[in-house]
Amino acid sequence: NAGVTQTPKFQVLKTGQSMTLQCAQDMNHEYMSWYRQDPGMGLRLIHYSVGAGITDQGEVPNGYNVSRSTTEDFPLRLLSAAPSQTSVYFCASSPGGTGANVLTFGAGSRLTVL
Amino acid sequence: AQTVTQSQPEMSVQEAETVTLSCTYDTSESDYYLFWYKQPPSRQMILVIRQEAYKQQNATENRFSVNFQKAAKSFSLKISDSQLGDAAMYFCAYRSARSGGGTSYGKLTFGQGTILTVHP
Repeated sequence: NAGVTQTPKFQVLKTGQSMTLQCAQDMNHEYMSWYRQDPGMGLRLIHYSVGAGITDQGEVPNGYNVSRSTTEDFPLRLLSAAPSQTSVYFCASSPGGTGANVLTFGAGSRLTVL
Repeated sequence: AQTVTQSQPEMSVQEAETVTLSCTYDTSESDYYLFWYKQPPSRQMILVIRQEAYKQQNATENRFSVNFQKAAKSFSLKISDSQLGDAAMYFCAYRSARSGGGTSYGKLTFGQGTILTVHP
């Protein structure tokens, strides 16, 4: 059982380049989300999805796009990278329904934009 | 909107001693969940403990326990018999219990984090 798999683990981009961070989970979780982690700011929600075909914005969505065509995959796209997007990115998933469902996090992806 | 505040950027403790990490939060909701996550240098986010707001009893997981004060909106983490492996960044997080369209599923609000150093 792989859990939540993120690729790549490290990436360096130049300003204006585009890229996609991949996220896949094999737990049949309804809910998936992307966070970014910056020093002194904890983790902040970028986008989330409550099921295939359904996505919505989180706290810091600008500059990022997402789609959810399958239950398993939730890629995060940077269309035109900016230095302000230098960060560590985490994908997470959890079951749907009520209750204290715990997020399962991926290992994180460190992105540097020059 | 909910906010979570961790006022201690760094803490240190001697091995085998006890340390308490502080967390306060602001919400107008009465039903919610609170979590402590550990992030070691490997960057992996690891759940330490969770608390349902409707439960008065403080959660405990082995050497980890919380002091949940709902009226004061405080949720501190106590680590007893500290071990070198406890050294990490610790995050406090809040999640609403509101349902309906999955509005609360997995939407955590995190504090800024506290770096814990354990001295041998």
